[in-house]
Amino acid sequence: GENVEQHPSTLSVQEGDSAVIKCTYSDSASNYFPWYKQELGKGPQLIIDIRSNVGEKKDQRIAVTLNKTAKHFSLHITETQPEDSAVYFCAAISFGGGADGLTFGKGTHLIIQP
Amino acid sequence: DAGITQSPRHKVTETGTPVTLRCHQTENHRYMYWYRQDPGHGLRLIHYSYGVKDTDKGEVSDGYSVSRSKTEDFLLTLESATSSQTSVYFCAISPLAGEDNEQFFGPGTRLTVL
Repeated sequence: GENVEQHPSTLSVQEGDSAVIKCTYSDSASNYFPWYKQELGKGPQLIIDIRSNVGEKKDQRIAVTLNKTAKHFSLHITETQPEDSAVYFCAAISFGGGADGLTFGKGTHLIIQP
Repeated sequence: DAGITQSPRHKVTETGTPVTLRCHQTENHRYMYWYRQDPGHGLRLIHYSYGVKDTDKGEVSDGYSVSRSKTEDFLLTLESATSSQTSVYFCAISPLAGEDNEQFFGPGTRLTVL
């Protein structure tokens, strides 16, 4: 099955700086890669996703890049703000493509220092 | 939260007792999922459903069963709860499968098995 590795586990950045979280996956057939943000006591919230036919996608201060050859994808947050503090999870859809569930990384705790 | 509710939100029970968690959606989405979230493991898929009365196992299905008698409800049952099932349980829904599998999560149920 699919295996997703996520780094770093904790990331502390100054407010206004950029943050980058990286993930690698094992199944070359995976074709959908979402990112979730989870605030304390809440469920994960989908913030951006990318499909295998696209190399980069942006949404305001958030961008995701995908390198299918190397089997890794990254989340980039620019001009970080205090409300960006949360745990971020990457995920990949396992091959089979039906109703299969997502395989998640173990999460990155992003801390925005004022 | 994309029209998803989970009940109860918190539950404390004793080892050996049966427990049922409920997920209810108002989005009329076909696919529904149960995940558990544990420190150091991220989110892991327990079971999923691809339609009424159609369910299948995920990565960590041992000790759990599910039922879906209506589109809007997906039940997760622990027949005889064990301390290893202490976790936060999240339900997710999706309108489509495969690479269009955008999953939206509920608020979670925190279960403690003593």
